[in-house]
Amino acid sequence: AQKITQTQPGMFVQEKEAVTLDCTYDTSDPSYGLFWYKQPSSGEMIFLIYQGSYDQQNATEGRYSLNFQKARKSANLVISASQLGDSAMYFCAMREHLEGSNYKLTFGKGTLLTVNP
Amino acid sequence: DAGVTQSPTHLIKTRGQQVTLRCSPISGHKSVSWYQQVLGQGPQFIFQYYEKEERGRGNFPDRFSARQFPNYSSELNVNALLLGDSALYLCASSARLAGGQNEQYFGPGTRLTVT
Repeated sequence: AQKITQTQPGMFVQEKEAVTLDCTYDTSDPSYGLFWYKQPSSGEMIFLIYQGSYDQQNATEGRYSLNFQKARKSANLVISASQLGDSAMYFCAMREHLEGSNYKLTFGKGTLLTVNP
Repeated sequence: DAGVTQSPTHLIKTRGQQVTLRCSPISGHKSVSWYQQVLGQGPQFIFQYYEKEERGRGNFPDRFSARQFPNYSSELNVNALLLGDSALYLCASSARLAGGQNEQYFGPGTRLTVT
């Protein structure tokens, strides 16, 4: 079974600074996808960024970038120029294949990010 | 375009009762997945439906069931509610089953409280 580990229950960052949220994963599947989602206090999961296991370059989406180190099985999220609105729970997730072409997302326990003014 | 919608937003039930949660996917999306998120944890996979057929089931008891309708909306049913069923129930839709980025888009969730 696949596993996602987020070792930082909480992180603090000053506004306008960069922050890295850690994620390690474990899988025997050679083909997999890694996602990061943001969950504000409202509860809705917001997709941020995706990295495929065969992608040669690290994914970037605006202020979000993914530091993908395949050999170390890590997929850390980097948020540059933090904003107050970035304060939220952040979840790392892996696409796990079910029977046939079906799949599910396996989530880590999350990291609560607080951006201080 | 409207995102994933879920109803109701909040729900309070007592132990032993039954509950039905509803989800409408993004227009054109044929796959719906359900997740349970208890306080302080990440979401846990319950079901996936595609083209009205169950395509995946997580490690949940038979008290949990779901179905998908011809318009691709979905219902999650939970019978004989337990206190431990109190959670945020999230519905996610995607355009197809798998491959590439194909991210799942989540709804706002239904917060169920069992007393």
